[in-house]
Amino acid sequence: NAGVTQTPKFQVLKTGQSMTLQCAQDMNHEYMSWYRQDPGMGLRLIHYSVGAGITDQGEVPNGYNVSRSTTEDFPLRLLSAAPSQTSVYFCASSYSGLAGEGGELFFGEGSRLTVL
Amino acid sequence: AQTVTQSQPEMSVQEAETVTLSCTYDTSESDYYLFWYKQPPSRQMILVIRQEAYKQQNATENRFSVNFQKAAKSFSLKISDSQLGDAAMYFCAVSSNTGKLIFGQGTTLQVKP
Repeated sequence: NAGVTQTPKFQVLKTGQSMTLQCAQDMNHEYMSWYRQDPGMGLRLIHYSVGAGITDQGEVPNGYNVSRSTTEDFPLRLLSAAPSQTSVYFCASSYSGLAGEGGELFFGEGSRLTVL
Repeated sequence: AQTVTQSQPEMSVQEAETVTLSCTYDTSESDYYLFWYKQPPSRQMILVIRQEAYKQQNATENRFSVNFQKAAKSFSLKISDSQLGDAAMYFCAVSSNTGKLIFGQGTTLQVKP
């Protein structure tokens, strides 16, 4: 019963490097999303997807790319890392669109990213 | 655009006492859901309680209850008989018809023995 799995859990990057945070869920959830958590800022939505092939921007999308080729996977790509992207990243999924059925969001354990 | 505001960065409560965490929000939608999530030091996000905006009755889950004031766009969380295990950061969140779930800044709750 894996739920939402994020990898890696920790990563250190140098400015300008690229990397992908992986997110996979085995609950057949349609909705997936990425958040970043910074002290005093709460969780801010980066990108989200309401189904395979569909993605949209959240509150802070700049510097991040996503794609959703399968229902299970929703990777987050940093093309050219910047120190401002140092944060803890959470992937979350839900059975359906949140407003329509109030589905609970299931979270991964988080990934701590440091950009030097 | 939706916004969620938690005006109390930190709160403390004595064990066995009651504490209320505040949350206000803004949304232009008529159909939405409100949530409180708990984040202990382990960083895990745990759903505490959920409220449907179309329901007038306030949601309750054991020691946790909400005071939902739709006209005032207020959604406070009351924790009764506080326990040491309640110490955590608490986040208020509101959903939208576009699928977004927007969080507030969080309130750190300290429980004193």
